[in-house]
Amino acid sequence: GENVEQHPSTLSVQEGDSAVIKCTYSDSASNYFPWYKQELGKRPQLIIDIRSNVGEKKDQRIAVTLNKTAKHFSLHITETQPEDSAVYFCAAVRGPNFGNEKLTFGTGTRLTIIP
Amino acid sequence: EADIYQTPRYLVIGTGKKITLECSQTMGHDKMYWYQQDPGMELHLIHYSYGVNSTEKGDLSSESTVSRIRTEHFPLTLESARPSHTSQYLCASSDLGTNYGYTFGSGTRLTVV
Repeated sequence: GENVEQHPSTLSVQEGDSAVIKCTYSDSASNYFPWYKQELGKRPQLIIDIRSNVGEKKDQRIAVTLNKTAKHFSLHITETQPEDSAVYFCAAVRGPNFGNEKLTFGTGTRLTIIP
Repeated sequence: EADIYQTPRYLVIGTGKKITLECSQTMGHDKMYWYQQDPGMELHLIHYSYGVNSTEKGDLSSESTVSRIRTEHFPLTLESARPSHTSQYLCASSDLGTNYGYTFGSGTRLTVV
């Protein structure tokens, strides 16, 4: 089955700086990679995703890059703000008909933005 | 509003009690999941269902059981709660084959004393 590794487990950055979280996956058939943000005491929420037919996707201050050859994908947050402090989870699943497939989650990264 | 709802939000219960955590979604999703999560930590899949009368155990062994009699409802039951069951339980749902992302409920924070 799929195995997703996520690094680092904790990350502290100065407000305004950039943050990068990296994930690697093992199943070359995986082709959908979402990222979830979980603020303290709240539910995980999808913030961005990427499919294997693209190498990069951006949404304002967040971006995700995918390297299929190396089987890794990364979340980039620029101009970080205090509200970016949260736990971030990457995930992977094989497709295109996701059918009975399940997301495999990484172990999470606790991001702290230092004012 | 279409969403996924969990009740109760917090529960403190004595050892040996039977409890049921409720999860309902109004999005018409086929697939539903239960995760166990210590605060801010890894998500552990304990049960999932691909439709009515379909239930499977997840990656993390759990003493809980689930049922799926209606599409929208996926309750989790602990027959005899123990302190080791103290954790947060998150329910999630997704479409079968089309909507790729999961929608999570707000969770039930369970404390067994």
